[in-house]
Amino acid sequence: DAKTTQPNSMESNEEEPVHLPCNHSTISGTDYIHWYRQLPSQGPEYVIHGLTSNVNNRMASLAIAEDRKSSTLILHRATLRDAAVYYCILRDVGSGGSNYKLTFGKGTLLTVNP
Amino acid sequence: DVKVTQSSRYLVKRTGEKVFLECVQDMDHENMFWYRQDPGLGLRLIYFSYDVKMKEKGDIPEGYSVSREKKERFSLILESASTNQTSMYLCASEIAVRGEQYFGPGTRLTVT
Repeated sequence: DAKTTQPNSMESNEEEPVHLPCNHSTISGTDYIHWYRQLPSQGPEYVIHGLTSNVNNRMASLAIAEDRKSSTLILHRATLRDAAVYYCILRDVGSGGSNYKLTFGKGTLLTVNP
Repeated sequence: DVKVTQSSRYLVKRTGEKVFLECVQDMDHENMFWYRQDPGLGLRLIYFSYDVKMKEKGDIPEGYSVSREKKERFSLILESASTNQTSMYLCASEIAVRGEQYFGPGTRLTVT
């Protein structure tokens, strides 16, 4: 599996934007970049995913570098409820079998200060 | 909104007991998954199913089996629970090839 590298932790203030980086230098052409987050005592929650172009949804934006070797998850205005562990995951959905699984690394623990 | 429910949030069982963990999704998703999450090891895939009565082993299937008799329900079975199966168990579902997995709240299983 192609690997991702994220900072162990980041801190932000409420109502400020947050940029969560992810490096994936060994990404293949059919790997999608997925972001999930996990709030304390809950199951992971899908945030966003993309292949090449930047993506926006109601939760966040995903900025993908032109060479696809890195990406950034952007929370436009952090709230206390955004405090969670954020996982950046590569997933090849072009084939089946074990590629169906999500391989979660350690992620980035985001702390949001009031 | 997609809803994935799991039968229990907390469960305590004794060594050697047969344990059933149930997962139900209400969005007609083809794919369903069982993971376990342990500190320092992240989420690891136990089994997944891509259709009724179809299943495939994940990374750590030993000691577990699964059942999918109906599309909306995916059960994880611990045939003879052991203390090393104490963990958080997470169920997920997704529309085939859509790529977004939706997780249940998890079941924290303690085997004593």
